[in-house]
Amino acid sequence: KAGVTQTPRYLIKTRGQQVTLSCSPISGHRSVSWYQQTPGQGLQFLFEYFSETQRNKGNFPGRFSGRQFSNSRSEMNVSTLELGDSALYLCASSFDVNTEAFFGQGTRLTVV
Amino acid sequence: AQSVTQLGSHVSVSEGALVLLRCNYSSSVPPYLFWYVQYPNQGLQLLLKYTSAATLVKGINGFEAEFKKSETSFHLTKPSAHMSDAAEYFCAVTGTTGGFKTIFGAGTRLFVKA
Repeated sequence: KAGVTQTPRYLIKTRGQQVTLSCSPISGHRSVSWYQQTPGQGLQFLFEYFSETQRNKGNFPGRFSGRQFSNSRSEMNVSTLELGDSALYLCASSFDVNTEAFFGQGTRLTVV
Repeated sequence: AQSVTQLGSHVSVSEGALVLLRCNYSSSVPPYLFWYVQYPNQGLQLLLKYTSAATLVKGINGFEAEFKKSETSFHLTKPSAHMSDAAEYFCAVTGTTGGFKTIFGAGTRLFVKA
């Protein structure tokens, strides 16, 4: 079956702009989690969605938001981009949070 | 609250030598524990998972991990390292406390010398 698809793979944005990243989970998976990965901070949890509901949110400012659609596809949005938002953003889908997570290849965001 | 500590941000072994990557967890409830591997410019791939069925868990690519409740540890081992094992490895914990999120360790980068 198809894996987790994240689009786009690479993005370059300017400070102050906003960006939307997309994640299509594995068919049948209703839990989608987002992570920010940077060399200094490792994998930081952003939020988790299950059946269109955000069940948990990490310690990120309100500029980071997300949503999940009825087909389980998820988007995350970052507004007013800052240089420090440059990172690899990973999406993971699973049947539920305590089961194996399948990761996409990530979107590498560079803010200049 | 749950947490994961990986001891050693970098580990270097010779090809053919034992691989030991350390992970200690903190959880107030029986945890679900995972090891993931990440190759450059890739997402994470599951190596193995512990879900209380057996304390010794075997995963892919010859890796295994042992859950030791008394030591709150879940160390990853492989008897003989291969060059292709060079990657970053993440230990993760999840459970019902803290609500619906998986916590990852900081990662350990494994180097394999020829």
